[in-house]
Amino acid sequence: AQSVTQLDSHVSVSEGTPVLLRCNYSSSYSPSLFWYVQHPNKGLQLLLKYTSAATLVKGINGFEAEFKKSETSFHLTKPSAHMSDAAEYFCVALTGTASKLTFGTGTRLQVTL
Amino acid sequence: SQTIHQWPATLVQPVGSPLSLECTVEGTSNPNLYWYRQAAGRGLQLLFYSVGIGQISSEVPQNLSASRPQDRQFILSSKKLLLSDSGFYLCAWSVSRGLSQETQYFGPGTRLLVL
Repeated sequence: AQSVTQLDSHVSVSEGTPVLLRCNYSSSYSPSLFWYVQHPNKGLQLLLKYTSAATLVKGINGFEAEFKKSETSFHLTKPSAHMSDAAEYFCVALTGTASKLTFGTGTRLQVTL
Repeated sequence: SQTIHQWPATLVQPVGSPLSLECTVEGTSNPNLYWYRQAAGRGLQLLFYSVGIGQISSEVPQNLSASRPQDRQFILSSKKLLLSDSGFYLCAWSVSRGLSQETQYFGPGTRLLVL
């Protein structure tokens, strides 16, 4: 069985400081992993994805994530937070036929002045 | 380029009334299609997915149903809404390439409030 754990339900950072959103996965084999962002009352937007190529994945809006198999982690980072980054972030694993997704419970990122 | 549409954007319905939410995809053929529900303060729950016209798989038993009358149209329905059906409904699509693991792209969502 596959599961995705987002270790923090809420993260607060100051504008201009680094962002770290943590995600661990469990799977019997290497899944494809994604980070999506959801702004209030909006759909999900793909930030980046890992599909067993490079372990460091660069996404949109300055975000990146590193796949670490030894730690079963796929943490999302950004060097400098912007007010517009405030949103809900979902770590997601994909496996099997018909592209079934397993979602983490989400991390709400708050960015303060 | 591909786009995905959902309507209505917002819906307020009384308990016991019927429901029909529509999702359409443009710019691709034979996509996999998905319906998710996001309840307040929770992650996303897969409700239905479809790999082709008339082919629907249900993930969660409930009073909702889905249909795919055309290749790029996916409809979520209910004959009688419950209070617990309130939530944010998201449609998604992915390229269909057999067993390969494809990215899913989400629509803007429909917020449903059942009173």
